[in-house]
Amino acid sequence: DVKVTQSSRYLVKRTGEKVFLECVQDMDHENMFWYRQDPGLGLRLIYFSYDVKMKEKGDIPEGYSVSREKKERFSLILESASTNQTSMYLCASSLEGGEKYNEQFFGPGTRLTVL
Amino acid sequence: AQSVTQPDIHITVSEGASLELRCNYSYGATPYLFWYVQSPGQGLQLLLKYFSGDTLVQGIKGFEAEFKRSQSSFNLRKPSVHWSDAAEYFCAVGNFNKFYFGSGTKLNVKP
Repeated sequence: DVKVTQSSRYLVKRTGEKVFLECVQDMDHENMFWYRQDPGLGLRLIYFSYDVKMKEKGDIPEGYSVSREKKERFSLILESASTNQTSMYLCASSLEGGEKYNEQFFGPGTRLTVL
Repeated sequence: AQSVTQPDIHITVSEGASLELRCNYSYGATPYLFWYVQSPGQGLQLLLKYFSGDTLVQGIKGFEAEFKRSQSSFNLRKPSVHWSDAAEYFCAVGNFNKFYFGSGTKLNVKP
């Protein structure tokens, strides 16, 4: 089974801190994604990566950056956390190559609170 | 513009009753459609997906969904709901690297 793990389930940070959210997948997937989930808004894509060191902006990249130095690991970085970044963050991964590989596998999520 | 609409924010059904969750989408190309379920404190789990072929697709946990191109809909159904089905359900549309999710429907199951 595909396993996507996220480094923390709950995180509390202060305004202005630099925050790192880590995601690791163990199935050699090419694609990795970071989403933000807020009540009533569903999931919104922040960034995705289709290969090591490759990244593309999603719908809401402002205030975030990402890093993918190894295929299995995709990090989301909040350079200077703000209270409006309090949210649930979900990481996902998927295989590359044709329609049958479109399925995304999700991690358990990190609930981040910025005070 | 690509979008997914789940018109019902909350739904309550009695255990054993049938269930239908609605999903409408707007998508410029051939849609790949998905339903995910999220239990409290958990990530999303794929229930079923439609890529092509038979428009009625079967998923896990006894769920099914029907793709209706003329109505731009992909409604999720279950003939008899169990208490363990209480969760939040998300419809999604997209392909390859770009997916759009609905805002979710929270299902409550009455004993």
